[in-house]
Amino acid sequence: NAGVTQTPKFRVLKTGQSMTLLCAQDMNHEYMYWYRQDPGMGLRLIHYSVGEGTTAKGEVPDGYNVSRLKKQNFLLGLESAAPSQTSVYFCASSLHSQETQYFGPGTRLLVL
Amino acid sequence: KNEVEQSPQNLTAQEGEFITINCSYSVGISALHWLQQHPGGGIVSLFMLSSGKKKHGRLIATINIQEKHSSLHITASHPRDSAVYICAVPNYGGSQGNLIFGKGTKLSVKP
Repeated sequence: NAGVTQTPKFRVLKTGQSMTLLCAQDMNHEYMYWYRQDPGMGLRLIHYSVGEGTTAKGEVPDGYNVSRLKKQNFLLGLESAAPSQTSVYFCASSLHSQETQYFGPGTRLLVL
Repeated sequence: KNEVEQSPQNLTAQEGEFITINCSYSVGISALHWLQQHPGGGIVSLFMLSSGKKKHGRLIATINIQEKHSSLHITASHPRDSAVYICAVPNYGGSQGNLIFGKGTKLSVKP
C-alpha cells in the first residue's frame, strides 16, 4: 500500500497563476483533509471531506477550492495564487472522524 | 474552539536523557493525538488516547482528562528521536470533529 501520496512535491508559481494539488489514498478512508503549515504556526485545516462528493470548509478556506469526485482522491485548487499562499501543504486521511490521520509527504509551494 | 498549548517550544537533550513534552487544552475532549514530524517534513501519528497511558517502544503518552493535560515521554533518548512533536485535539465548535494542532515542540537530541 502506498498510503497517502501527494503530487507535486514542489512547485513555484507566479502571482495570479492557478494550480491543482492532488492527494490520493489507497486505504479506503472516508475522511480526507487539506492542511497548510507555516513557520511558527500549527497545521491549519483548509478544507475537508467526509466522503465522496462532499466537501466542507475548514479554518482557512479563502483562496482555495476542493473536489472529491472519487473516494480515493482529494484535489486542492488555487485559482489565482497569492504570495500569502506560499506554504507547505499536507493532505491526510482517516477512516472516520476522530480516528488516526495518515499524512502525505507534503507539497512545498512558493508563490512569487 | 479548543485551544492547544505545548511546552517547551524547543528542547535540547543529551543522548540517554528522559524527555517530557507537555500539552494543555481548553475544552474537554474525547481523545488527544500525538504526532511526530521528521526533519525531512513527513508527519506520522504516534498515539491517540482518551484516558490513562499508552506505550510504544520508548515512547509513553499520558493524559489527565480532568486537568486537560497530556504528556509525551521519551525514555533513553537517541539522536534519531530528534523531530518536532505535535499535539492535536478535536475542534469542537469549529469545523466539527476536526483537529486543532499545537505549534509543536522541536526536540534535538545530541550524541
